[in-house]
Amino acid sequence: RKEVEQDPGPFNVPEGATVAFNCTYSNSASQSFFWYRQDCRKEPKLLMSVYSSGNEDGRFTAQLNRASQYISLLIRDSKLSDSATYLCVVSLTNTGNQFYFGTGTSLTVIP
Amino acid sequence: DAGVIQSPRHEVTEMGQEVTLRCKPISGHDYLFWYRQTMMRGLELLIYFNNNVPIDDSGMPEDRFSAKMPNASFSTLKIQPSEPRDSAVYFCASSFSGMNTGELFFGEGSRLTVL
Repeated sequence: RKEVEQDPGPFNVPEGATVAFNCTYSNSASQSFFWYRQDCRKEPKLLMSVYSSGNEDGRFTAQLNRASQYISLLIRDSKLSDSATYLCVVSLTNTGNQFYFGTGTSLTVIP
Repeated sequence: DAGVIQSPRHEVTEMGQEVTLRCKPISGHDYLFWYRQTMMRGLELLIYFNNNVPIDDSGMPEDRFSAKMPNASFSTLKIQPSEPRDSAVYFCASSFSGMNTGELFFGEGSRLTVL
């Protein structure tokens, strides 16, 4: 069983749409949660951390449900520049090791 | 500030040849990770080091793969002999345990093609 499971998509949405990605993780001892973004032929980069109370960064909202071991990312008012692969990441510690990546969800925002 | 630096960016080689990938982590980071990314399997952790010591190499596919970190500023991933199924993008990443975010910083990757 994979540590992190994501719907690979692809998601093709028009500009201005709202899109949501979901992710589940298998290890209930997981401590830290993140969404990374990876552009085509580039390295993954941190988009945002996910906190227990949920958190928002502009058009992006991340939520965590520990009971269901479920993480989500909501993107409002999609822009063409949001087109990328979004990776769900789970860490077993808060101190920088044992990161587990989902296979990613592909998003294309269409003009 | 310089990020994680990897070399070479691209490598094309023939089956059976030795491949060495190099990584310079961000100065001051105490964790270094080697990942492999393919379309089929996504990002797979191969091995990681803490303070230059290998901690978990369970992701290393087989004995053909080896990794070293002789000092805090340099690591290598070696494949000998290489096979076509090793074709992938190999990422090096580093992190600092003192950061509350636990963020991973990736290099730009080494794209390996084995013919």
